[in-house]
Amino acid sequence: NAGVMQNPRHLVRRRGQEARLRCSPMKGHSHVYWYRQLPEEGLKFMVYLQKENIIDESGMPKERFSAEFPKEGPSILRIQQVVRGDSAAYFCASSPRGPDSYGYTFGSGTRLTVV
Amino acid sequence: ILNVEQSPQSLHVQEGDSTNFTCSFPSSNFYALHWYRWETAKSPEALFVMTLNGDEKKKGRISATLNTKEGYSYLYIKGSQPEDSATYLCAFCNTDKLIFGTGTRLQVFP
Repeated sequence: NAGVMQNPRHLVRRRGQEARLRCSPMKGHSHVYWYRQLPEEGLKFMVYLQKENIIDESGMPKERFSAEFPKEGPSILRIQQVVRGDSAAYFCASSPRGPDSYGYTFGSGTRLTVV
Repeated sequence: ILNVEQSPQSLHVQEGDSTNFTCSFPSSNFYALHWYRWETAKSPEALFVMTLNGDEKKKGRISATLNTKEGYSYLYIKGSQPEDSATYLCAFCNTDKLIFGTGTRLQVFP
């Protein structure tokens, strides 16, 4: 079992471009969570998805950010028209059940740099 | 706004010392409290998931306790080793997701 796979590990984008971050959860895990870590800050919740459904997107910025977890394929976090303030590490985590009973398995993260 | 506070922010100890850190969380609407270990250049790894007031969990030299009524959890490391050096995160389960604290950064010197 390969664990939670995130790619790319590092992504450089110019201001105004789009960034696509991918996350393949562990086999058997249907719950996917995205977190952002800004420099010198902790992990901030962005969005929680199950297959084809967004369950909680209360941490997502209202504009430019979107997430999906299609029936087939990885979960995608999409940032349109990136700005310098989007530079951060983005972590994906998965679990087979909710966090009221089960821990998260984290991916290695994608480090986004906007130049 | 839900706040999860951890203290101290960082800690430096000698090999063999025992140490403990604190996590404070909202005492209402409690679902679960998680502890994670995050080594540099790796991803966070789950240590414990605690759900009941008075819970005590142990994994090797690391143990944790939980007080949901007053909203705190302690993580203990007995006889710290250099390989215990990492950031220790606690996270409060708010209905459907985890809210993380900023962590305690532990450095164990040989």
